[in-house]
Amino acid sequence: EAQVTQNPRYLITVTGKKLTVTCSQNMNHEYMSWYRQDPGLGLRQIYYSMNVEVTDKGDVPEGYKVSRKEKRNFPLILESPSPNQTSLYFCASSPVLHTQYFGPGTRLTVL
Amino acid sequence: AQSVTQLGSHVSVSEGALVLLRCNYSSSVPPYLFWYVQYPNQGLQLLLKYTTGATLVKGINGFEAEFKKSETSFHLTKPSAHMSDAAEYFCAVSESYNFNKFYFGSGTKLNVKP
Repeated sequence: EAQVTQNPRYLITVTGKKLTVTCSQNMNHEYMSWYRQDPGLGLRQIYYSMNVEVTDKGDVPEGYKVSRKEKRNFPLILESPSPNQTSLYFCASSPVLHTQYFGPGTRLTVL
Repeated sequence: AQSVTQLGSHVSVSEGALVLLRCNYSSSVPPYLFWYVQYPNQGLQLLLKYTTGATLVKGINGFEAEFKKSETSFHLTKPSAHMSDAAEYFCAVSESYNFNKFYFGSGTKLNVKP
C-alpha cells in the first residue's frame, strides 16, 4: 500500500531532550516536506526537500533540523525541544508538482 | 511571503444545502491554489488544485472551486452537503516561482446538520 508513515504517532517529552520524528514514504517521491499544525494557525511549513541531500527552509524552521540521506526518509530533528514546539506534526511527500500525500501526524507534547 | 485568509473558522449548513467556503490569497502574481480536507485524527487529503488553464476546477466528492484573479479568491463550493462532508477544510497556495513552498489558511470546520 502506498503511504507516508510517521513515528512515533504520539510523544511526550521534556524540555531540552533531543528527539527525532521519522517520516518514510514508499512511493519513490522526490519531494518531501514537514509541517506543524496549531489551532487557529492552520499548517505552517517547517522544511522541505526536493531530493536527496537537497533541503530548504519553510516558513518556521527555527528550532528544527532535517536531513535527506535517502529518498524515502526525511526525519525531523528537535535538538533542544521547548514547550512552544508542542504541536501536531505532518510529513508529506509528492511525486510531481503540488499533489502532496500526507502522513497520519505526530502529536508532540514538550513539558 | 504569501498570506491565505479563510473567512469563517466554523461554518454550519444543513444536509442538502449549498456549501461555500471562502479563501483569499495575497499574491499579486497568480499562485498555485489548493483545497485540502482533514477528517478527525487523520492527515490531509487533496480535494482539488488549480495550476493553469480552466479557472473552474472540479475535485473529488462533488466539490469544485473557481479561481478569480481579480478578486484574489479561490472559494470552495458543493451544491448539496452530505453528513460525510463534516471535516476541516484548508486552502493552500504555493508560489508560481517557488512551488516548493506552501502556505496554508487557518482552516474552516464544516458542520453538517441533519
